[in-house]
Amino acid sequence: GDSVTQMEGPVTLSEEAFLTINCTYTATGYPSLFWYVQYPGEGLQLLLKATKADDKGSNKGFEATYRKETTSFHLEKGSVQVSDSAVYFCALREAFQKLVFGTGTRLLVSP
Amino acid sequence: GAVVSQHPSWVICKSGTSVKIECRSLDFQATTMFWYRQFPKQSLMLMATSNEGSKATYEQGVEKDKFLINHASLTLSTLTVTSAHPEDSSFYICSATGLAGISTDTQYFGPGTRLTVL
Repeated sequence: GDSVTQMEGPVTLSEEAFLTINCTYTATGYPSLFWYVQYPGEGLQLLLKATKADDKGSNKGFEATYRKETTSFHLEKGSVQVSDSAVYFCALREAFQKLVFGTGTRLLVSP
Repeated sequence: GAVVSQHPSWVICKSGTSVKIECRSLDFQATTMFWYRQFPKQSLMLMATSNEGSKATYEQGVEKDKFLINHASLTLSTLTVTSAHPEDSSFYICSATGLAGISTDTQYFGPGTRLTVL
């Protein structure tokens, strides 16, 4: 079945550092790919998405590119802030199917 | 944006008792709600999908008699864990969408409920 693999956390960075959170997937078809973020005490929020190969999703300085050849959707940000500290979930969904989540990666950004 | 709330945020109960968790869409009508379960360091696992006014559709391996889901209105769904046991201890998360079915990109998630069964 479909699955999503994320790097284990926590990822600990200093403010203004470059962020990469790796995400790879296994799917039988051509899924849409998502990154969700969960801030402390809040529900998951959609951060960005991409629906086909080579699409780049972006939001709030975060970017991820749908790489079909490597089955990856790595999340990047050029300069993280303390306010980016949260748990990030990579997810996929094939057409008319349920969302499949990765295990989440906690990001801790220190001043 | 659309907001989904859950109540309670955490609950502790004795083994054998039943616990009800509420999920509300605060500023939109939720035709479809989803219930997820999350174990520590594991991903969210979909338990069931419910559409307003109809019976919930449970994922394979989820006991529908143990996890009762009621989606009685367009703004409220409840999950009742019946005769709870320690292995039911987990983090339960709901989400809601204003469009029918699961093909929409936009699910709005609640903050989750931590259940601990002693």
